[in-house]
Amino acid sequence: AQSVSQHNHHVILSEAASLELGCNYSYGGTVNLFWYVQYPGQHLQLLLKYFSGDPLVKGIKGFEAEFIKSKFSFNLRKPSVQWSDTAEYFCAVNAKPSNTGKLIFGQGTTLQVKP
Amino acid sequence: ETGVTQSPTHLIKTRGQQVTLRCSSQSGHNTVSWYQQALGQGPQFIFQYYREEENGRGNFPPRFSGLQFPNYSSELNVNALELDDSALYLCASSLGTSGSSYNEQFFGPGTRLTVL
Repeated sequence: AQSVSQHNHHVILSEAASLELGCNYSYGGTVNLFWYVQYPGQHLQLLLKYFSGDPLVKGIKGFEAEFIKSKFSFNLRKPSVQWSDTAEYFCAVNAKPSNTGKLIFGQGTTLQVKP
Repeated sequence: ETGVTQSPTHLIKTRGQQVTLRCSSQSGHNTVSWYQQALGQGPQFIFQYYREEENGRGNFPPRFSGLQFPNYSSELNVNALELDDSALYLCASSLGTSGSSYNEQFFGPGTRLTVL
């Protein structure tokens, strides 16, 4: 069965620190990969996605992620976090080929940025 | 452009009861997916509806059922509620086309269901 694992459940950083959140998935085939963010009191929003091509993808608000196929990983990075990045972050996978948009999510990482 | 809306926002039920949750998809979208998010967990796929037909189902028992209407809004029905059904239920809409692999899903705010 497909699964997604996020290794960091709770991360606390000071402003301007660099961020890297780990995400690994288990699936032998081709996948679409996503990072979603949920700010306090808001909806889940798409941060960035990888479908194909350049394995380094850039998203909104200065976030980027790198797909490393050999490691089944899609880690999220940001060089310098801000207090406003405090949120819950979810990695998700959609297996290809698929007739559905079924997303498999990791358990999430809570990021707390101290001012 | 109107986003995805869900109702009600919060709901409290007792074990054994039945519940109906509602979702209005984003304007122009024809596909609705439902997810269950237990506390401290990521969302889990329940099922998806595309043009009024179920189009994929996750590992949930038959007492979880759904409908999609001609205007592409959707309902999630849960019968014989159990304590473990307490969760945030998320609806996501997208513009699907036949045979497409994936189209970006836009999530609603969710309905918080508490089963006592």
